Amino acid sequence: DAKTTQPTSMDCAEGRAANLPCNHSTISGNEYVYWYRQIHSQGPQYIIHGLKNNETNEMASLIITEDRKSSTLILPHATLRDTAVYYCIVRAIPSGTYKYIFGTGTRLKVLA
Amino acid sequence: DAGVIQSPRHEVTEMGQEVTLRCKPISGHDYLFWYRQTMMRGLELLIYFNNNVPIDDSGMPEDRFSAKMPNASFSTLKIQPSEPRDSAVYFCASSFGQDPAFFGQGTRLTVV
Repeated sequence: DAKTTQPTSMDCAEGRAANLPCNHSTISGNEYVYWYRQIHSQGPQYIIHGLKNNETNEMASLIITEDRKSSTLILPHATLRDTAVYYCIVRAIPSGTYKYIFGTGTRLKVLA
Repeated sequence: DAGVIQSPRHEVTEMGQEVTLRCKPISGHDYLFWYRQTMMRGLELLIYFNNNVPIDDSGMPEDRFSAKMPNASFSTLKIQPSEPRDSAVYFCASSFGQDPAFFGQGTRLTVV
């Protein structure tokens, strides 16, 4: 699986958009980009995933560059409850591996 | 659905004792993953199953660790004998095919 690079930490003001970047320059054609977050000591929570098109759901938007070498997770109106560690993962499907390899993630702190 | 259910939520045991962690995946899911999380090593994939069959156990640290999935609704992770360095939070996750995985709340294991 391709490796990802994320900033160690970021701050964001409450109510503002949080933009979390991820670099996955070695991503291959059958690898999707997934985002999870972990709030305090809870289990990781699925946010969104995509292959090459931009995606949006009730939680966030995912913007993937045309060359697919990087992506950005956007939380449109960050709240204090969005303070968490955010993980960007690339995962090959349907290659049969199906496993998620977590990196160190970005620690996002939303400030009041 | 109640989500992925793990038990116990907390376990304290003495070094040398056998420890069994339990997981009930989401009904209908055919993939099950076991992860371990520590401050030093982050989230590590230990093993995952497909249709109750272990597919990749390359992350299992040593022979003291074993995992089983006797049926589609139950899995166990056993450590025998336990050591202080096994202290960690253990997460179970499940998914259906290529769909995103959902995680349980974890079991915090302390070996004294």
